[in-house]
Amino acid sequence: SYELTQPPSVSVSPGQTARITCSGDALPKQYAYWYQQKPGQAPVLVIYKDSERPSGIPERFSGSSSGTTVTLTISGVQAEDEADYYCQSADSSGTFVVFGGGTKLTVL
Amino acid sequence: EVQLVESGGGLVQPGGSLRLSCAASGFTVSSNYMSWVRQAPGKGLEWVSVIYSGGSTYYADSVKGRFTISRDNSKNTLYLQMNSLRAEDTAVYYCARALRIEVAEYYFDYWGQGTLVTVSS
Repeated sequence: SYELTQPPSVSVSPGQTARITCSGDALPKQYAYWYQQKPGQAPVLVIYKDSERPSGIPERFSGSSSGTTVTLTISGVQAEDEADYYCQSADSSGTFVVFGGGTKLTVL
Repeated sequence: EVQLVESGGGLVQPGGSLRLSCAASGFTVSSNYMSWVRQAPGKGLEWVSVIYSGGSTYYADSVKGRFTISRDNSKNTLYLQMNSLRAEDTAVYYCARALRIEVAEYYFDYWGQGTLVTVSS
């Protein structure tokens, strides 16, 4: 079955830049999406179609894509950005939705 | 304002059944793709099922043949009928509105607050 691979954890100090990667063989053909989930809350979409930002999401959140890897970048990290982040895409046939395993962002 | 409110979760014995509901407001369920996503305790997100606006349905291999997604257009409500439940189905179940990019490519712009299903004897 198709998998998206994320690092389990990323740590940064406030004001620094956090980069969270997501790797998958089908990513050159399929868009990626990113969700932020804080404890006890539902996920929130922060990036869609690799690099688009929904209204209401701060400009410090950005996304990029290169080959089989997509990256969520959070510039000038704030304490409120501490959360789990999940990438989402589809398998190469576009039939099934797949989520990455999630990355816990810790703000030191 | 778009809202999704799940209900129907609870404790059920292995082999039992449960039906989850997701009441939507602020948009029309039947005009959108709608999906269920679950999250086992302390684990990541797992896609469960989708129903397209045209009525086609798809399931993750882990639930195929046991779960059924449906909708009631008159009530603007999405359902998930879960049969033959197993311990590994224990999770918070979220309903989500799915925005279509291509016929079979979509992402989730609105999520409910989730309902907990516990399968245990």
